[in-house]
Amino acid sequence: RKEVEQDPGPFNVPEGATVAFNCTYSNSASQSFFWYRQDCRKEPKLLMSVYSSGNEDGRFTAQLNRASQYISLLIRDSKLSDSATYLCVVNTDVGALIFGKGTTLSVSS
Amino acid sequence: EPEVTQTPSHQVTQMGQEVILRCVPISNHLYFYWYRQILGQKVEFLVSFYNNEISEKSEIFDDQFSVERPDGSNFTLKIRSTKLEDSAMYFCASTKGERGYNEQFFGPGTRLTVL
Repeated sequence: RKEVEQDPGPFNVPEGATVAFNCTYSNSASQSFFWYRQDCRKEPKLLMSVYSSGNEDGRFTAQLNRASQYISLLIRDSKLSDSATYLCVVNTDVGALIFGKGTTLSVSS
Repeated sequence: EPEVTQTPSHQVTQMGQEVILRCVPISNHLYFYWYRQILGQKVEFLVSFYNNEISEKSEIFDDQFSVERPDGSNFTLKIRSTKLEDSAMYFCASTKGERGYNEQFFGPGTRLTVL
């Protein structure tokens, strides 16, 4: 069965902390990889795409290891506004997004 | 900034009734999707639509579901005879270009409650 697995958390961290989320996927034919953010009862919103070379967007860094079928997201200097559920998402060859269950992050002051 | 819109935001219906969920994708997008999220569970793919036909569907998308693009702007999901287990958040999404390589933009969702 094609699945995306994530640690559900919750991760409870203080402001300013660095936190890392991990994800594994089972379909070796997957072509595109993403981290989405979902706030409570809202739609998923793209946080960043994930490339084999790794990519960084401000405080956020994503890494992909195709050999291990492993994706990571690092958040540095956590803000209160980072509190949300982070969804690891993989794209099949026909465009459907396959979502993990998400990892919940709670940042406190 | 262009966005996907969905109506209604909340739909309450009786078991066995038909419901139609409506979406207006971003205007220059070519690929359209429906997903659902049962409360507390992950987002699940239902169906993708391109060039006025279904391009892929999941095992969830059985004969009680159908999709349509009745005009140049709307994209609808019909559930013919709703069941209690159809209660969920339904998200529409669209993307512009090559399948698998463009961001999918999600609408705010329709919360469907089946009583």
